[in-house]
Amino acid sequence: KAGVTQTPRYLIKTRGQQVTLSCSPISGHRSVSWYQQTPGQGLQFLFEYFSETQRNKGNFPGRFSGRQFSNSRSEMNVSTLELGDSALYLCASSLSVKGAPEDYGYTFGSGTRLTVV
Amino acid sequence: GQQLNQSPQSMFIQEGEDVSMNCTSSSIFNTWLWYKQDPGEGPVLLIALYKAGELTSNGRLTAQFGITRKDSFLNISASIPSDVGIYFCAGLNYGGSQGNLIFGKGTKLSVKP
Repeated sequence: KAGVTQTPRYLIKTRGQQVTLSCSPISGHRSVSWYQQTPGQGLQFLFEYFSETQRNKGNFPGRFSGRQFSNSRSEMNVSTLELGDSALYLCASSLSVKGAPEDYGYTFGSGTRLTVV
Repeated sequence: GQQLNQSPQSMFIQEGEDVSMNCTSSSIFNTWLWYKQDPGEGPVLLIALYKAGELTSNGRLTAQFGITRKDSFLNISASIPSDVGIYFCAGLNYGGSQGNLIFGKGTKLSVKP
């Protein structure tokens, strides 16, 4: 069974530009969450989407946004990039249905390494 | 944002030694997860704990969910070079409007062959 796929793996952007990252979850998984990982702050939650609706949101500015499509694929967008946005962006998917707690297990993709110059 | 207190931050051990790391929180969780991350990759789930007091093993790895629901530990027995990496604990409260994973800052494990 295919894992979580994130594209692209690497990106270099200039300050002020915008960027879109893509995540394809494991087949059948309806929840997609996004995390930012930096050396200083560690892994920080950005937002979670379930059935095309944002269900949960972390403490990031409005420049960070996302969406989910009917096939559960998700994209996140960062506008007006700043140097501090350089990070590894990770996507995780889960079944996320009420039932056995094991359904909430998260599987991560390999991430997109974004460098802002 | 909220984070868990994970210790130690790093450790160097001899191959064959046992390793222990732990995670504490000021908040309770109903799920504790332990992940390992290799350079350039995403975290990989090692062990998931769903009940307070639960002790679960996965090969040479053993983890426990603290009875207060505010802590967890991970033990690695007889370490080998491929155990090198960063280990993260994560707490989660599932159910209803599903919560998000709260991560520790990681324990970097280096093994001397």
